[in-house]
Amino acid sequence: EPEVTQTPSHQVTQMGQEVILRCVPISNHLYFYWYRQILGQKVEFLVSFYNNEISEKSEIFDDQFSVERPDGSNFTLKIRSTKLEDSAMYFCATGQARETQYFGPGTRLLVL
Amino acid sequence: GENVEQHPSTLSVQEGDSAVIKCTYSDSASNYFPWYKQELGKGPQLIIDIRSNVGEKKDQRIAVTLNKTAKHFSLHITETQPEDSAVYFCAAPGGNQGGKLIFGQGTELSVKP
Repeated sequence: EPEVTQTPSHQVTQMGQEVILRCVPISNHLYFYWYRQILGQKVEFLVSFYNNEISEKSEIFDDQFSVERPDGSNFTLKIRSTKLEDSAMYFCATGQARETQYFGPGTRLLVL
Repeated sequence: GENVEQHPSTLSVQEGDSAVIKCTYSDSASNYFPWYKQELGKGPQLIIDIRSNVGEKKDQRIAVTLNKTAKHFSLHITETQPEDSAVYFCAAPGGNQGGKLIFGQGTELSVKP
């Protein structure tokens, strides 16, 4: 069964550094999302992406965040200058239809 | 915007018993309600979903019921097994065209052998 994959599984970085989180969607999926989950809390929406552009973004997704599909397959989330409060689990989700979303295993980001 | 409330936050049952988790939503226009299971250290796994044109959907030991009038939906797990132990999240659409899901707070289900 096809799955969403994410790399790296863990990332430790210093505050102020840039990080790029990568996702490989299920091959025929057209809708792409990033969510995050702070330890012990619920899953929060960050951004949705369709047809090579952002469809919607949350208030968390400020100018420090960006997304792209650099090669038509991978889907990336970049945080330009990380803050301590960016420490969280970041999940990529993809779907054939807009709402039915399949999540990857996540990247645990720790900002020191 | 949509607001999703989930109860209980923790639920402990004996193996073989049934478990029920309930969610309420605020936006009467919402029409899609998925349930996710999250095991420790893993991503949320879609286990069942329901659209607003039906009141109930079953898949083996799990079922979801929807009451659009009352704006609540529930996950039912019958004949629980230890491997059902996980955190379960309900979700509803965020109401815009982007496909955003708004998640409930989660229910930690523990099935005791």
